[in-house]
Amino acid sequence: EVQLVESGGGLVQPGGSLRLSCAASGFTFSSYWMSWVRQAPGKGLEWVANIKQDGSEKYYVDSVKGRFTISRDNAKNSLYLQMNSLRAEDTAVYYCARDYCSSTSCHGGWFDPWGQGTLVTVSS
Amino acid sequence: SYELTQPPSVSVSPGQTARITCSGDALPKQYAYWYQQKPGQAPVLVIYKDSERPSGIPERFSGSSSGTTVTLTISGVQAEDEADYYCQSADSSGTSRVFGGGTKLTVL
Repeated sequence: EVQLVESGGGLVQPGGSLRLSCAASGFTFSSYWMSWVRQAPGKGLEWVANIKQDGSEKYYVDSVKGRFTISRDNAKNSLYLQMNSLRAEDTAVYYCARDYCSSTSCHGGWFDPWGQGTLVTVSS
Repeated sequence: SYELTQPPSVSVSPGQTARITCSGDALPKQYAYWYQQKPGQAPVLVIYKDSERPSGIPERFSGSSSGTTVTLTISGVQAEDEADYYCQSADSSGTSRVFGGGTKLTVL
């Protein structure tokens, strides 16, 4: 069974840092792009970042560029999101998702499956 | 930044057909995908590549595309289909994934 389990969420003060982890199992992790998607309380979904199989390509939504870093460790079947300079508007449930590319260049694609998410709260 | 536009809400009676639209300038060039999200749960993919249905998704879920608008159709709506539905695609470069604002489907 394909499974994604996030961890590392919690309460952090504005300006602080947090590192999220996602443990993958049930599929060949190193063969897939991976993404982080977030959802603020009562709001819609927002794609945050994705990373290529070997980590050589990474893309971010404009609002987190320069503050968040996506990375992966294929030997550990794990995906990470390092979040620095956190703001109140970063408060959300963060989901890890397997990223299916619609083309070999991965210019477009979809998310399946998703983990259950981890809550990040940025507040003083 | 690129945006996908969905109606905030759609209401139908059980057994009727629900149609949820999603509009975006890049949709003629980029596939669209649809997710169902129930309260307290992670999203679930229900349509990929405009009209393909993943295994395990009921046949009453279908997708279509016409120009800058894609449509999720749920035929014979059941009470269990009440949920938020999100369309998703990519910008014209393909490097940014984008979600629509979501549509709350209410089964009357």
